[in-house]
Amino acid sequence: EAQVTQNPRYLITVTGKKLTVTCSQNMNHEYMSWYRQDPGLGLRQIYYSMNVEVTDKGDVPEGYKVSRKEKRNFPLILESPSPNQTSLYFCASSVSGNEQFFGPGTRLTVL
Amino acid sequence: GQNIDQPTEMTATEGAIVQINCTYQTSGFNGLFWYQQHAGEAPTFLSYNVLDGLEEKGRFSSFLSRSKGYSYLLLKELQMKDSASYLCAVIPGAGSYQLTFGKGTKLSVIP
Repeated sequence: EAQVTQNPRYLITVTGKKLTVTCSQNMNHEYMSWYRQDPGLGLRQIYYSMNVEVTDKGDVPEGYKVSRKEKRNFPLILESPSPNQTSLYFCASSVSGNEQFFGPGTRLTVL
Repeated sequence: GQNIDQPTEMTATEGAIVQINCTYQTSGFNGLFWYQQHAGEAPTFLSYNVLDGLEEKGRFSSFLSRSKGYSYLLLKELQMKDSASYLCAVIPGAGSYQLTFGKGTKLSVIP
């Protein structure tokens, strides 16, 4: 089954404790992206990647890191999480940045 | 900066037709998307417009006017399951796949 998977689905952590949210797709897509969704603010793009070793900033990259060492994986790294990074995070992939397939989301709470 | 405007909420009756508008002011334009998002779920792709005109796909149609910075999503023969948020998103730059979303329109379909 073609899909985008994210792990974990839910995470509660504390300020400053490094964490990684994994994202994997099995559709051989070149393009992958991370978004956060907050009430009243909508979906905002954090980072995106057009291919292996190619990443670029979205609208809200501060406080986040990404890497694209393999085509199928695009982890999101929070080196020192803060409460304002509490949000619902979505990973997405597509062939070329057009129709994007979204993962199920990761709900992160930073205390 | 990029600005994408959509109505926050709309209500329509089952079986009717509803039009959800989206206006954008962006530094450039390389395509416009519509996504549907049911509460608690990931967004799913509805349409992609890059040229002016109407794209029809079953009960859903999307229209684009680049000169006016305007798009709409038309939903016909509304069903209860169409109750969802509808997200307008723009790629503002040629050669870039940075994607900017509007805040979404929450559509409620009533009997």
